Amino acid sequence: AQSVTQPDIHITVSEGASLELRCNYSYGATPYLFWYVQSPGQGLQLLLKYFSGDTLVQGIKGFEAEFKRSQSSFNLRKPSVHWSDAAEYFCAVGVINTGFQKLVFGTGTRLLVSP
Amino acid sequence: GAGVSQSPRYKVAKRGQDVALRCDPISGHVSLFWYQQALGQGPEFLTYFQNEAQLDKSGLPSDRFFAERPEGSVSTLKIQRTQQEDSAVYLCASSLSSQADTQYFGPGTRLTVL
Repeated sequence: AQSVTQPDIHITVSEGASLELRCNYSYGATPYLFWYVQSPGQGLQLLLKYFSGDTLVQGIKGFEAEFKRSQSSFNLRKPSVHWSDAAEYFCAVGVINTGFQKLVFGTGTRLLVSP
Repeated sequence: GAGVSQSPRYKVAKRGQDVALRCDPISGHVSLFWYQQALGQGPEFLTYFQNEAQLDKSGLPSDRFFAERPEGSVSTLKIQRTQQEDSAVYLCASSLSSQADTQYFGPGTRLTVL
C-alpha cells in the first residue's frame, strides 16, 4: 500500500541555520511527490512538486527538494531558515486511481525556529 | 484570483446533530476533493468529484458521511448524527483537471463535536 513517512515529529532550528526535513515514500509506480506547508489556522500551501525530469526541484520561499529513487526519499531543504518558516510541513505522494490522483500524506513535521 | 473557500470556518455541534460543510472551489476546476485531518495527523482522503460525478467515496468513514456537488461547482459535505470521533478539520481541495495535477486547498472547517 502507498504510504509516506516523516520520521521527525518536531524539529527546532536556529534562525539563519540550514534545514532538512525528511520524507520517505512507498509507492509501486513512478511517484508524484509534493511538499505542503500549513500555518496555524490555515490551509495547505504547496511549496513544490516533483512530477518528472530534474530530480532537484525548486519551490517557493527558497525551498528545494531532491528526489532520490534509490532511497525512496524526497527531502525538503532550505539553506537559511527565517522565523516566518515556523509551521507544519507535510510530504505527500500522489496516488493514481481510476482516472484521478489522490494525495497520501505523511503525519507532518512541526518546525520551530529559535532566535 | 480567488482561491478555494470553505464555510463555516468553525463549527461546534452536539453529539447527534447533523452538520453541513460547504466548499467553493476555484472557478473552472474540474476536480474536487475532501480530506479529513485529525489532530496531530496528516490529511486523509475522503472523496473525489469530477465535475458533478462522485467517482470515489472510498475514504468516507461511515454511511453517516455524505457529499454532493450537484452542479459541478460548489460541494457540500454532510455528516449525520455526529459523533465525537468526527471532530477534525475538514479540508477541501480543487484541481484544474482530473489527471495528475496540483491540488489547491481551502482553509478548512474545524468541526468540534461535544
